[in-house]
Amino acid sequence: DTAVSQTPKYLVTQMGNDKSIKCEQNLGHDTMYWYKQDSKKFLKIMFSYNNKELIINETVPNRFSPKSPDKAHLNLHINSLELGDSAVYFCASSPEGGRGYEQYFGPGTRLTVT
Amino acid sequence: GEDVEQSLFLSVREGDSSVINCTYTDSSSTYLYWYKQEPGAGLQLLTYIFSNMDMKQDQRLTVLLNKKDKHLSLRIADTQTGDSAIYFCAESMSSASKIIFGSGTRLSIRP
Repeated sequence: DTAVSQTPKYLVTQMGNDKSIKCEQNLGHDTMYWYKQDSKKFLKIMFSYNNKELIINETVPNRFSPKSPDKAHLNLHINSLELGDSAVYFCASSPEGGRGYEQYFGPGTRLTVT
Repeated sequence: GEDVEQSLFLSVREGDSSVINCTYTDSSSTYLYWYKQEPGAGLQLLTYIFSNMDMKQDQRLTVLLNKKDKHLSLRIADTQTGDSAIYFCAESMSSASKIIFGSGTRLSIRP
């Protein structure tokens, strides 16, 4: 299936731990994103990469570090997890060539920090 | 600044039309979107409209844009139970810039 996939779907961990969320898209898109959706469903962009280069970096704590090994993958590593990091994290991708507005979202990773 | 606002809830009877409203503050917004999020799923792009358009129709969906009032609406004709979801209004300045999302409107359908 052509899609944006994320692993894991659920992640439960304790404060202070370090964890990673992986994202892969097989749509041939050039741009990938990470979004955070809080408990009130408010969705906010965190990062955007275009062809492995960081192009958007919102005011996100530097405990969050995105890594793009190739243009089909964008992983999110989080150090020293805090309670406030609990949220659903969505990966998305979009094509270039004037269609960057068509963002395709993954199913989300629900992170719970205890 | 950039801000997108929507009401949080809407309840409609099955078969009626649903109208979800949105206001935005950034007058330089070029692209305006409606996304749908079903329970436990990611967001799905439903439709979009360019700021130089007033209306866009796609099957049961009609998007109206009042650029002067910075008001966007999504009308769903003949609302079905499968339309139950959260609908997000969003905007961006260009196809390459970040998308700013509203808080989402939860649409519920009454039998």
